[in-house]
Amino acid sequence: GAGVSQSPSNKVTEKGKDVELRCDPISGHTALYWYRQRLGQGLEFLIYFQGNSAPDKSGLPSDRFSAERTGESVSTLTIQRTQQEDSAVYLCASSSRQSSYNSPLHFGNGTRLTVT
Amino acid sequence: AQKITQTQPGMFVQEKEAVTLDCTYDTSDPSYGLFWYKQPSSGEMIFLIYQGSYDQQNATEGRYSLNFQKARKSANLVISASQLGDSAMYFCAMRELIRPGANSKLTFGKGITLSVRP
Repeated sequence: GAGVSQSPSNKVTEKGKDVELRCDPISGHTALYWYRQRLGQGLEFLIYFQGNSAPDKSGLPSDRFSAERTGESVSTLTIQRTQQEDSAVYLCASSSRQSSYNSPLHFGNGTRLTVT
Repeated sequence: AQKITQTQPGMFVQEKEAVTLDCTYDTSDPSYGLFWYKQPSSGEMIFLIYQGSYDQQNATEGRYSLNFQKARKSANLVISASQLGDSAMYFCAMRELIRPGANSKLTFGKGITLSVRP
């Protein structure tokens, strides 16, 4: 597709369950980012992937969060043993040049996660 | 210190009037980019405008312009001729060069809610 694609668009899960969120970046974009946005708040950086380099995991809030990326394509964000505080919109973004400060990030529509 | 500061409470503007949304930033990196995004109630993040730290002129994109004051470290967004569809959350963000090959993530402010009145 032309833009960043995320699935599912909505996910309701019970506390303690694991969830997996998927992101398909824009074709040819080498950099991929995950952000979290709590209700009424700004975007919080979680993790960054660039090619074969080790991902920057500095934004992950706990070891319950992990992410993988297959080459320069699909990425999955996994949250284990979900807590109510994990309820948020998870946004994926891609960019064509990883260290270019003049390239905007292009965002998907997000996955709205609700933990009950 | 916060990298991006957006302190205005909810903003209101009359349709067809202009409005300025404030943003200040903090960085010691000489190479950086400033971005504004719009987030309507549907939740999508829409890129509006970009200003580079070395740009001599203020950026403009249609009804959007950026009032860039480098010495004051401010990058205010000006929306001219407001439309009802401009009602949304607006985020200012910064991307620093750091060093070639390093993660250059976008750091966001907390956002400003703009409501356009008919």
